Amino acid sequence: EVQLVESGGGLVQPGGSLRLSCAASGFTFSSYEMNWVRQAPGKGLEWVSYISSSGSTIYYADSVKGRFTISRDNAKNSLYLQMNSLRAEDTAVYYCARGRVAGDYWGQGTLVTVSS
Amino acid sequence: QSALTQPASVSGSPGQSITISCTGTSSDVGSYNLVSWYQQHPGKAPKLMIYEVSKRPSGVSNRFSGSKSGNTASLTISGLQAEDEADYYCCSYAGSSIFYWVFGGGTKLTVL
Repeated sequence: EVQLVESGGGLVQPGGSLRLSCAASGFTFSSYEMNWVRQAPGKGLEWVSYISSSGSTIYYADSVKGRFTISRDNAKNSLYLQMNSLRAEDTAVYYCARGRVAGDYWGQGTLVTVSS
Repeated sequence: QSALTQPASVSGSPGQSITISCTGTSSDVGSYNLVSWYQQHPGKAPKLMIYEVSKRPSGVSNRFSGSKSGNTASLTISGLQAEDEADYYCCSYAGSSIFYWVFGGGTKLTVL
């Protein structure tokens, strides 16, 4: 069974940093492209970042470019999102999602709250 | 990377059919047959219902179908059931020289 489990969310002050993790199981993680997608409270979905199966190709949404860094460790079956210079508008549930043209599996999400 | 346009809400009675539209541009929906649809129940993660405009993942009911014409994609749910009540999001992949997923604002489906 495919499972994606996010962790690392929490309360952080504006300007602070946080590192999210997504632990994958039930499939060959190294063969799949991955994404982070977020959802602000009561709002819609917003794509954040993409990483290729090898980690060699990476893309970001304009809203996080220069502040967030996506990475993966295929040996540990894990996906990461390093978030720096956090702003109030980054407050959201962050989901990891598998796939390139669509997200066929999603984790349950981890809540990031940016507030003083 | 502007959001796709969906109606905020639609409703239907059990057994009826409803259609949710999703309008983009020639840069996203109109350029790629790579529109997907997600169902999200309150407090839950999104679930893929349709990919590549009209394909259903294994396990998704054939009551769900997708189509596209020009810059507008549509999700049709036939034989509405109470458990279909949820938020629905369309998404278009945009690739080649850049990569992003652009989502619609979401549509709240109410089963009366």
